[in-house]
Amino acid sequence: EAGVAQSPRYKIIEKRQSVAFWCNPISGHATLYWYQQILGQGPKLLIQFQNNGVVDDSQLPKDRFSAERLKGVDSTLKIQPAKLEDSAVYLCASSFRVGNTEAFFGQGTRLTVV
Amino acid sequence: AQSVAQPEDQVNVAEGNPLTVKCTYSVSGNPYLFWYVQYPNRGLQFLLKYITGDNLVKGSYGFEAEFNKSQTSFHLKKPSALVSDSALYFCAVREVVGSQGNLIFGKGTKLSVKP
Repeated sequence: EAGVAQSPRYKIIEKRQSVAFWCNPISGHATLYWYQQILGQGPKLLIQFQNNGVVDDSQLPKDRFSAERLKGVDSTLKIQPAKLEDSAVYLCASSFRVGNTEAFFGQGTRLTVV
Repeated sequence: AQSVAQPEDQVNVAEGNPLTVKCTYSVSGNPYLFWYVQYPNRGLQFLLKYITGDNLVKGSYGFEAEFNKSQTSFHLKKPSALVSDSALYFCAVREVVGSQGNLIFGKGTKLSVKP
């Protein structure tokens, strides 16, 4: 079974530039998550999709972050414009459904904003 | 709101000794609890979960965890630590409300196993 795929693995941008991350979840997984992991901290949920609908984006900085999951499969997370404090690893995860099923994580995208 | 606490930033253990990584949680209803491990430059890998039933849950790589409802804890354990167990460990909780539920993580505990 293929895992969660994310790209790119690494990205370096200047502040005020824009950046986009891509995620392809495990086939058949209805729930997709984007997490932000700042160095030395646990992952923080940014947004959760159920199929192609948003079920929780309460911690997404909507003035600069946006995400979409067209057709309920792949997802993209965008930052525009980036700030220095956005430097982090962005993790995508998917699960078969919400509830007692575990989430499976991609390797993440390490973003450095300079 | 649900939350997870991992009180130790780092746990140091000698190889062959038992290890415990602590986790406590707070939810208003019944929790689903998970442990993940993260190796350098890698994503999180699922270790084990507690949903219901037996309070002692067995998972990957010889790890187990004990659910204690009265103490709201879900400590990760292993009878004999290996150097290769050295990594970052995260506890997570999901409180299911209807058909929805966030997966919330603790800040992580760095496990260091010395030969």
